[in-house]
Amino acid sequence: DAGVTQSPTHLIKTRGQHVTLRCSPISGHKSVSWYQQVLGQGPQFIFQYYEKEERGRGNFPDRFSARQFPNYSSELNVNALLLGDSALYLCASSLEGGYGYTFGSGTRLTVV
Amino acid sequence: RKEVEQDPGPFNVPEGATVAFNCTYSNSASQSFFWYRQDCRKEPKLLMSVYSSGNEDGRFTAQLNRASQYISLLIRDSKLSDSATYLCVVTPVGAGRRALTFGSGTRLQVQP
Repeated sequence: DAGVTQSPTHLIKTRGQHVTLRCSPISGHKSVSWYQQVLGQGPQFIFQYYEKEERGRGNFPDRFSARQFPNYSSELNVNALLLGDSALYLCASSLEGGYGYTFGSGTRLTVV
Repeated sequence: RKEVEQDPGPFNVPEGATVAFNCTYSNSASQSFFWYRQDCRKEPKLLMSVYSSGNEDGRFTAQLNRASQYISLLIRDSKLSDSATYLCVVTPVGAGRRALTFGSGTRLQVQP
């Protein structure tokens, strides 16, 4: 069975640009969460979606937004990119929004 | 003060050694506790849940002390393959919030 898939795997963007990251959860999983991991730090929670509704939001600016589609896949959008947005962006899925998360291998975003 | 604090290490130990990691958390009402393992440039993977009664999985033993707000992980008979970063994770209080709060991780290097 396919795990959590994220695309793209790597991305280089310029300051001020916009980026869209994509995530497909494990089949049957209805909850998707997004995390940002800066080098040398643990992942930080950005958003959680369950059944297409936002269930949680971390301490990130409004430049960060997300949505979940009817097939439970998800997009994370970041506007007006800053150098500090350079990080590994991780998507995690779970069955019913509980704690049994499986992480995807992430999208490594570099902002130059 | 960080919500979850860990000694960043690195812990350099020989094969066969026993090594212990500690973690403290600031929110006394935190509900669930986990240890995740993260290999270099890979996604975090659940190692084990942590309970007040303590739990063991092969060479790994985890313990929670709610009174001291302290979580530990003990690895016995270390293998080269145990080299990784170990992330302490707690979950916040509040229905509908299923975010994971990660520590910055403790790096373990097992040497031949």
